[in-house]
Amino acid sequence: GAVVSQHPSWVICKSGTSVKIECRSLDFQATTMFWYRQFPKQSLMLMATSNEGSKATYEQGVEKDKFLINHASLTLSTLTVTSAHPEDSSFYICSARPPGAGELFFGEGSRLTVL
Amino acid sequence: AQSVTQPDIHITVSEGASLELRCNYSYGATPYLFWYVQSPGQGLQLLLKYFSGDTLVQGIKGFEAEFKRSQSSFNLRKPSVHWSDAAEYFCAVGGGATNKLIFGTGTLLAVQP
Repeated sequence: GAVVSQHPSWVICKSGTSVKIECRSLDFQATTMFWYRQFPKQSLMLMATSNEGSKATYEQGVEKDKFLINHASLTLSTLTVTSAHPEDSSFYICSARPPGAGELFFGEGSRLTVL
Repeated sequence: AQSVTQPDIHITVSEGASLELRCNYSYGATPYLFWYVQSPGQGLQLLLKYFSGDTLVQGIKGFEAEFKRSQSSFNLRKPSVHWSDAAEYFCAVGGGATNKLIFGTGTLLAVQP
């Protein structure tokens, strides 16, 4: 199947700093990628849809200025958590759908811990 | 409203026993249905999907699921569970051009020796 890769797998940062998470589609081009957030022992919640060459579409309740998304190429989307606080600690997962495929493929996830 | 319900938060089965994980959905259009599995600290792996056609779909690792439109259900089954099946299982529904998925809350499966 298609491969979606995230980096870093885990990151620890101090409160107030910004953290960037990368999501790459390794063997296909993705005009759209999706960013999900998963709290411990909970389901995945869609945060935003990343659109190549244009602005991301955010779900209701997600702060655009807090979670900056950039989809600068057909294989890379980045999520930047700005001025991170402990409540931003979570597991962030990206996904993408290869052309012609019906399902989404997910990255390995990135665990963010804000101290 | 679009939603997915997984009634069982936690299930424990004995190795070799059969398994059924329940999933009910609410979706305004023809749904695309998925089951994903997640091991601790890992991303999601697709087990199987239903788009149309035969309502009994086969997936990887010996899993199958049956789409029942009248019951708005898409239950996951496996005839004989292996210890390596212990993980969290998510049912999801999506559709349309955006392909955004709505996930259930997950069912954590424990397998007893």
